[in-house]
Amino acid sequence: EPEVTQTPSHQVTQMGQEVILRCVPISNHLYFYWYRQILGQKVEFLVSFYNNEISEKSEIFDDQFSVERPDGSNFTLKIRSTKLEDSAMYFCASSSTNNEQFFGPGTRLTVL
Amino acid sequence: GIQVEQSPPDLILQEGANSTLRCNFSDSVNNLQWFHQNPWGQLINLFYIPSGTKQNGRLSATTVATERYSLLYISSSQTTDSGVYFCAVNTGANSKLTFGKGITLSVRP
Repeated sequence: EPEVTQTPSHQVTQMGQEVILRCVPISNHLYFYWYRQILGQKVEFLVSFYNNEISEKSEIFDDQFSVERPDGSNFTLKIRSTKLEDSAMYFCASSSTNNEQFFGPGTRLTVL
Repeated sequence: GIQVEQSPPDLILQEGANSTLRCNFSDSVNNLQWFHQNPWGQLINLFYIPSGTKQNGRLSATTVATERYSLLYISSSQTTDSGVYFCAVNTGANSKLTFGKGITLSVRP
């Protein structure tokens, strides 16, 4: 069964460093998303992406964040200068035209 | 934006018991999904159920869209059912999902 994959599973970085989180969505899906979950809290939407552009973003998704689909398979989230409060689990998701979103296993980001 | 409330916040069951988890939402929805977050943090799709009733093994779900709620039923619970159950909705096709705070289920042997 096709699934969303994410790498790395765990990333540790120093405050102020740039990180890139990678995702491979399900191959025939057209809509891509990033969400995050701070430990013990609910899952929050960051950004959605369709047809090579951002379709929606939350207030969390400020100028420190960017997304890219560099080729036909990868979807990346970049955080330019990480802060302590960026520590969270980051989930990538994708959907086709039927609207059901499928989530990857997540990348746990720890900012020291 | 749309509000999603889940209840109860915590639930402790003995193995073999049945349970009902509730999700209320504040507006009409285009999509409603139930997820199980396992101890490793993975979000597992349980149901895509904007309306009606579906069953998958010991789990079933019902969404009454006109009354703005959904129920997840777990029968004959097992210890592997433990984890956090999230309800999530959106109000437009392929738009962002808004999650509830989740229900933490602990099934004791």
